[in-house]
Amino acid sequence: EIVLTQSPGTLSLSPGDRATLSCRASQSVGSSHLAWYQQKPGQAPRLLIFGTSSRATGIPDRFSGSGSGTDFTLTITRLEPEDFAVYYCQQYGGIPLFTFGPGTKVDIK
Amino acid sequence: QVQLQESGPGLVKPSETLSVTCAVSGYFIDHTYYWGWIRQPPGKGLEYIGNIYHTGSTSYNASLKSRVTISVDPPKNQFSLSLSSVTAADTAVYYCARLIPGPYYFDSWGQGILVTVSS
Repeated sequence: EIVLTQSPGTLSLSPGDRATLSCRASQSVGSSHLAWYQQKPGQAPRLLIFGTSSRATGIPDRFSGSGSGTDFTLTITRLEPEDFAVYYCQQYGGIPLFTFGPGTKVDIK
Repeated sequence: QVQLQESGPGLVKPSETLSVTCAVSGYFIDHTYYWGWIRQPPGKGLEYIGNIYHTGSTSYNASLKSRVTISVDPPKNQFSLSLSSVTAADTAVYYCARLIPGPYYFDSWGQGILVTVSS
């Protein structure tokens, strides 16, 4: 089973700060098979990044993804008030077929 | 623009079967993509349940496979989830989503439906 670990669990930052979120896999993940989602309270997850580094439609360019193998990163260059949320990484290809990380909460410092 | 909407009972008794349907609009379900179910217990993370193609071909999370059935109804442009022998641990928000093959990610999600298992 591929287990995804996200760190930190909580990131306390101020608007305008840079956020760096980590997603680590217990086994190598294909770079085309790693995605990131944003979830706000009471809402469904929203796709941000697919294929490690491709932004989904309508996602601002302050969001970027990188990484390979077992280590992946989501970077938000300048936090806007609407970016405070929980972020999940997701992989495809292991067992089970899809797994999600436990999430990183980005909250206001 | 594709939209997904879950519907079903919000309360299910222990040992009974949970059933949720996802109505799809803005996209024909019998086109290229797959359709999936993901759940989220209150205050917890996301768990993949399974997915289906319009031909009826399915794939399930092994941890739930013995209790899960996903079906598709192309004429009604909807797909459904059944989870049998439920317990309190199955209490969650159930999301349906469109699954993009190849890179395999969920690009469009329903708003979710909270299903509580309680007597």
